[in-house]
Amino acid sequence: GAGVSQSPSNKVTEKGKDVELRCDPISGHTALYWYRQSLGQGLEFLIYFQGNSAPDKSGLPSDRFSAERTGGSVSTLTIQRTQQEDSAVYLCASSLAAGLEGEAFFGQGTRLTVV
Amino acid sequence: AQTVTQSQPEMSVQEAETVTLSCTYDTSESNYYLFWYKQPPSRQMILVIRQEAYKQQNATENRFSVNFQKAAKSFSLKISDSQLGDTAMYFCAFRGRNAGNMLTFGGGTRLMVKP
Repeated sequence: GAGVSQSPSNKVTEKGKDVELRCDPISGHTALYWYRQSLGQGLEFLIYFQGNSAPDKSGLPSDRFSAERTGGSVSTLTIQRTQQEDSAVYLCASSLAAGLEGEAFFGQGTRLTVV
Repeated sequence: AQTVTQSQPEMSVQEAETVTLSCTYDTSESNYYLFWYKQPPSRQMILVIRQEAYKQQNATENRFSVNFQKAAKSFSLKISDSQLGDTAMYFCAFRGRNAGNMLTFGGGTRLMVKP
């Protein structure tokens, strides 16, 4: 596709259930980021994938959160045993990582609501 | 680790007037890029402007310009002739090599343009 695609756009889940959020980056982009944004707040860094390097997981808030990137393309963010405080918009971005100047392109995000 | 600080959580400006959004950052690197992103109510993040640290000339994009003060580690965004469509969250971001080209965001400034 032409841009970064995230699915689903909205997800309502019951507390305690697991959820998977998907990000399809722009073809050829080797860098992929996940951020979390609570209502009206800033971007909280979650995880960063850069090519074949080990991902930077330093932003994951707990061991209930995990992410993988298969084949250097599509990424899935998994939240296990969801809690109400996990409710937020989850944003994915990708960029050409070869240079510092590369623009990060964002998806529209997944709005997660835990009830 | 790099940090990016936006000290103004909210600002407002009258239509057609000029407003300046502040951003400071902390890094030990000499070459890096700085970015301003806009997030309107639609939630779609859009790149507004970028600046390379090695370039002394301030970047400009139509009504948007920056005041880059490398020694002071300051990177403010000036919006001239403000328009209603400029109402959005604005995020300052840093990218350098030391963190593997990872993009680090500030906490954001909510700008309201009033008619």
